[in-house]
Amino acid sequence: SQQGEEDPQALSIQEGENATMNCSYKTSINNLQWYRQNSGRGLVHLILIRSNEREKHSGRLRVTLDTSKKSSSLLITASRAADTASYFCATALFDSWGKLQFGAGTQVVVTP
Amino acid sequence: DAGVIQSPRHEVTEMGQEVTLRCKPISGHNSLFWYRQTMMRGLELLIYFNNNVPIDDSGMPEDRFSAKMPNASFSTLKIQPSEPRDSAVYFCASSFGQFEKLFFGSGTQLSVL
Repeated sequence: SQQGEEDPQALSIQEGENATMNCSYKTSINNLQWYRQNSGRGLVHLILIRSNEREKHSGRLRVTLDTSKKSSSLLITASRAADTASYFCATALFDSWGKLQFGAGTQVVVTP
Repeated sequence: DAGVIQSPRHEVTEMGQEVTLRCKPISGHNSLFWYRQTMMRGLELLIYFNNNVPIDDSGMPEDRFSAKMPNASFSTLKIQPSEPRDSAVYFCASSFGQFEKLFFGSGTQLSVL
């Protein structure tokens, strides 16, 4: 079963717009991570936010974490065509050694 | 660093044949994960190792699947006998330490006819 569930499943925006996707999870986590996957490629790590952090930035990426609501969001600002990819959240479960479980992903299409 | 290396990149086989997928993690990483990705089921964690020891294999679908990590620089995932429903992309990933970010290989696209 999947721990994290992303919303929306798909997102279509134009270059320059912001893209926001959300992730909800069910059990206590050590951290939550976001990954990107381009078509036909492996996943690439974007950002890791620990359970005692509320917000983190990396370039045009902003991640928030609300442990009380068991949810996280990923914001991509000023999107570019190159941001077209699937984005996955992954939760590192507290009661496991280091098990990282992925959600179903959000497919983002950025049109020029 | 060359990153996580998987081979083969593509594998086409017939039902009933044995399939072996290979993975070389990043040097110095002590954790290795095998995932399977399909449209229907998304990314599934099959098994993961820490310091070459299997920690959790609860995601391995059935006895036809087995994984080994004989040393810190090599792991295999074997399917015997293979079935059409095993068709998927199989990813290997490695990390250093517990709860840390994963580095993924390019995957093996497996097609079982």
